Amino acid sequence: DIQMTQSPSSLSASVGDRVTITCQASQDISNYLNWYQQKPGKAPKLLIYDASNLETGVPSRFSGSGSGTDFTFTISSLQPEDIATYYCQQYDNLFGGGTKVEIK
Amino acid sequence: EVQLVESGGGLVQPGRSLRLSCAASGFTFDDYAMHWVRQAPGKGLEWVSGISWNSGSIGYADSVKGRFTISRDNAKNSLYLQMNSLRAEDTALYYCAKGLNHQWLPTGGMDVWGQGTTVTVSS
Repeated sequence: DIQMTQSPSSLSASVGDRVTITCQASQDISNYLNWYQQKPGKAPKLLIYDASNLETGVPSRFSGSGSGTDFTFTISSLQPEDIATYYCQQYDNLFGGGTKVEIK
Repeated sequence: EVQLVESGGGLVQPGRSLRLSCAASGFTFDDYAMHWVRQAPGKGLEWVSGISWNSGSIGYADSVKGRFTISRDNAKNSLYLQMNSLRAEDTALYYCAKGLNHQWLPTGGMDVWGQGTTVTVSS
């Protein structure tokens, strides 16, 4: 089975800060990596698919990069509405442990 | 409007069975893979099962393999999850989700989600 390590598990940043979350796979998964945002009490929302493709309607401050085993998700300028938990999802649909993003 | 609506959740005793349903509308259901994803209270997301557009390929998480069965009826635009031998650790909010592609593997992302249906396994 492919293991996925997502880090950090939580972070606190100021409005306007650049925020970075990483996911590392235990083996090469090409670009089969997706990123989701989940706000409290809501269903997850797809933000990025195939490592770097922005889902329709998602603000351009969200981006993804990487291939193989190492992947990065970035919020270029954190906004108050970005407070949520973010999950990566790899090749065989398993999710990372999540990163809770809070405002400092 | 693209929509997924889950139903069938409830309180059930350990060892018993439950069948979840997901009604799809607003898109061509038989063009896409479908998935079940669950979330235990206060925990992260756990992929449960996926099924290809024509039911030709199916997959399960190790935690439910042999106990849960996914199926779909394209004529009824519906997805199902038959859950047998339920355990306390199956207690969760169960989401139905639409895949971006025909196949459930490799992942292509899940772009439409329902609101979820709650399953509680307790005596």
